[in-house]
Amino acid sequence: AQKITQTQPGMFVQEKEAVTLDCTYDTSDPSYGLFWYKQPSSGEMIFLIYQGSYDQQNATEGRYSLNFQKARKSANLVISASQLGDSAMYFCAMRPVYTGRRALTFGSGTRLQVQP
Amino acid sequence: NAGVTQTPKFQVLKTGQSMTLQCAQDMNHEYMSWYRQDPGMGLRLIHYSVGAGITDQGEVPNGYNVSRSTTEDFPLRLLSAAPSQTSVYFCASSAPGQNTGELFFGEGSRLTVL
Repeated sequence: AQKITQTQPGMFVQEKEAVTLDCTYDTSDPSYGLFWYKQPSSGEMIFLIYQGSYDQQNATEGRYSLNFQKARKSANLVISASQLGDSAMYFCAMRPVYTGRRALTFGSGTRLQVQP
Repeated sequence: NAGVTQTPKFQVLKTGQSMTLQCAQDMNHEYMSWYRQDPGMGLRLIHYSVGAGITDQGEVPNGYNVSRSTTEDFPLRLLSAAPSQTSVYFCASSAPGQNTGELFFGEGSRLTVL
């Protein structure tokens, strides 16, 4: 079984500052993938970034980076230079790799509010 | 490119009524799934399918049925709606050849059961 824990129900950040959203996970799978999704107030789910458990480097996508610490089982999302449009719910998720089941296990989410 | 299309976007039902949430994707994705999103609980998997004719249960399957007769469509059926099924429902798909295997989501269907 897999479990994702997001301990920050809500976060505030000033515009143009960086913010870290925490995510810890638990799994018995030897190979797995970690994902972050953004859900703005309009409701759609937007894929942000992916980290494979055997990837040597931390993933980056524009202003998003994933601080992956395998030994600590953490996969924190770092957003640099926050913008007002970053205000949204953020979900951490994971799934095993090399299985036919592509279902994601989600955390409960963190609501980020960017203040001007 | 339409991606994943869900209908209806909003629906109000009375307890005991039945309905079908439709999901269609035009990306030729083999994998499709249904999630429900409740406040404070993230998304939970209801049912999924790895290809036409193949379905399986997820974390919270009770009260829901699915079928997969074509690659494109994956409808979710509520046979006798209950207030506990009030939620936002998301359909998602992914392709087997993707390196990351990220899910592509529909826009969601908000269901209220009175």
